[in-house]
Amino acid sequence: GENVEQHPSTLSVQEGDSAVIKCTYSDSASNYFPWYKQELGKRPQLIIDIRSNVGEKKDQRIAVTLNKTAKHFSLHITETQPEDSAVYFCAASENSGAGSYQLTFGKGTKLSVIP
Amino acid sequence: NAGVTQTPKFQVLKTGQSMTLQCAQDMNHNSMYWYRQDPGMGLRLIYYSASEGTTDKGEVPNGYNVSRLNKREFSLRLESAAPSQTSVYFCASSLTGGGYGYTFGSGTRLTVV
Repeated sequence: GENVEQHPSTLSVQEGDSAVIKCTYSDSASNYFPWYKQELGKRPQLIIDIRSNVGEKKDQRIAVTLNKTAKHFSLHITETQPEDSAVYFCAASENSGAGSYQLTFGKGTKLSVIP
Repeated sequence: NAGVTQTPKFQVLKTGQSMTLQCAQDMNHNSMYWYRQDPGMGLRLIYYSASEGTTDKGEVPNGYNVSRLNKREFSLRLESAAPSQTSVYFCASSLTGGGYGYTFGSGTRLTVV
């Protein structure tokens, strides 16, 4: 099955700086890579995603890049704000056959933005 | 539009007791999932249902059973709870096929003593 590695596990940045979280995946057939943000005590929420036919996608202060050859993808947050503090999860879509897909998640990165 | 609704939000069980976690979605999604979240372990798939009438095991199915009652509802049952099943459980749903993100429920915090 798919294996997703996520680094770093914790990340502290000063307000206004950029944050980068990196993930690698093992299954070259994976073709969908979402990122989720989870605030303390809340549910994970989709913040951005990228498909394998795209190399980069941007939405305001967040961007995701994908390198299919190297099997890694990254989340970039610019001009960080205290409200960006949360746990971020990357995921890769695994095809288990007969049109059935599931997401395999990384273990998460706890981002702290210091005012 | 409620999205994905899970009940209960909190539960304490004694070892050996049974319970069912309920999940319902109103987004007309075909696929539904149960994950557990433990500190430092991320989200691990317990069971999933690609469509009404089908269920399959995920990464950590031991000690659990599921029922896809209809297109809207997908329940998770613990037949004989163990302390190792203390966790936060999330239900999620999505459109069928690769390339679709999940919508998660608000979670159930389960403690087994």
